[in-house]
Amino acid sequence: AQSVAQPEDQVNVAEGNPLTVKCTYSVSGNPYLFWYVQYPNRGLQFLLKYITGDNLVKGSYGFEAEFNKSQTSFHLKKPSALVSDSALYFCAVRDMGGEVFGKGTTLSVSS
Amino acid sequence: GAGVSQSPSNKVTEKGKDVELRCDPISGHTALYWYRQSLGQGLEFLIYFQGNSAPDKSGLPSDRFSAERTGGSVSTLTIQRTQQEDSAVYLCASSLGRGGSYEQYFGPGTRLTVT
Repeated sequence: AQSVAQPEDQVNVAEGNPLTVKCTYSVSGNPYLFWYVQYPNRGLQFLLKYITGDNLVKGSYGFEAEFNKSQTSFHLKKPSALVSDSALYFCAVRDMGGEVFGKGTTLSVSS
Repeated sequence: GAGVSQSPSNKVTEKGKDVELRCDPISGHTALYWYRQSLGQGLEFLIYFQGNSAPDKSGLPSDRFSAERTGGSVSTLTIQRTQQEDSAVYLCASSLGRGGSYEQYFGPGTRLTVT
């Protein structure tokens, strides 16, 4: 069965600095990988996904994620953080079945 | 176009009462999911509907939980004899299909509080 881990409950970064939110996964076949973001008091929004092809995936709001097959990771990145990026971020993995979500990482960007 | 809608946005109920939560998916989306989000617990999969196929109920935590989807569109999640541990945000999502590259579109959720 597939699984996903987000090793950090919280990530703190200063505005303007680069940010990374970590995600590792385990699947039996080729993975489909997703990142979602949840702003306060709102539902989850899709950010980006990796299906196949280029290991660097670009998504909404300037976010990108790098798929690393050997390390089974799919870390979310942004070159320059904004205070408005402060939110709860979920990584999700899917193989041929359903989607499994990580427990989420709270990103806090300070001004 | 309209996104996924859920009602009510908030529900406070007494322990032992039954509650019904409603989800209206995006038109044309054949897949519909229910999740439960508790503080510090991430998203817990509850149930999944795909077209006219039998639902995947593997995530329902007890037989007090049930869901139906009428006409391949609107879905209702019912919790019978609510318990305090049922307090959580219940999220509904829809997608063009299950598996493959389809991302999910989430509703704003229903916050359930059992007193």
